[in-house]
Amino acid sequence: KAGVTQTPRYLIKTRGQQVTLSCSPISGHRSVSWYQQTPGQGLQFLFEYFSETQRNKGNFPGRFSGRQFSNSRSEMNVSTLELGDSALYLCASSLGGGVQPQHFGDGTRLSIL
Amino acid sequence: ELKVEQNPLFLSMQEGKNYTIYCNYSTTSDRLYWYRQDPGKSLESLFVLLSNGAVKQEGRLMASLDTKARLSTLHITAAVHDLSATYFCAVDLTGNYQLIWGAGTKLIIKP
Repeated sequence: KAGVTQTPRYLIKTRGQQVTLSCSPISGHRSVSWYQQTPGQGLQFLFEYFSETQRNKGNFPGRFSGRQFSNSRSEMNVSTLELGDSALYLCASSLGGGVQPQHFGDGTRLSIL
Repeated sequence: ELKVEQNPLFLSMQEGKNYTIYCNYSTTSDRLYWYRQDPGKSLESLFVLLSNGAVKQEGRLMASLDTKARLSTLHITAAVHDLSATYFCAVDLTGNYQLIWGAGTKLIIKP
């Protein structure tokens, strides 16, 4: 069974640009969550989608947005990039319901110059 | 605001020793997760703890949850080098995978 796939793995952007990251969950998983991981702030929740609906959003500015498609694939978008957005962005999928663990992808490492 | 505190943040120990990592959280939740992360790698699920008094064991690792004390522990028995990693606990704020994470415990086990 294929795991969670995130693309691209690495990305370099400059301040002010925008970026779109993609996540393909494990087949059959309907919940997709996004997290930001940095050395300073650790792991922080961005948002969670279930059946194309955003159920929860973390404490991030509106520049961070996401969506989920009918096949459960998800994208997150960051507009007007800032240096502080440099991070590892992790996507995780699960069946839903909160009683199963989330399965994480390898992440997209975003560097802002 | 939910806060999740792990301690210690760094632990260096010898093979064969036992040790415990603690995870305290500041609000009511009955869903707690433990994950492992190897350097440069993603997160691997270890345990899901869903109720007060829950105890789960896998190999040399055992996790427990006390929801009244808002405390979870990850106990390592007779540590081996392969268990060297960073261990995270995370608490589900809403029951819908809105996970709030501890800072992680970096565990180094010396042969």
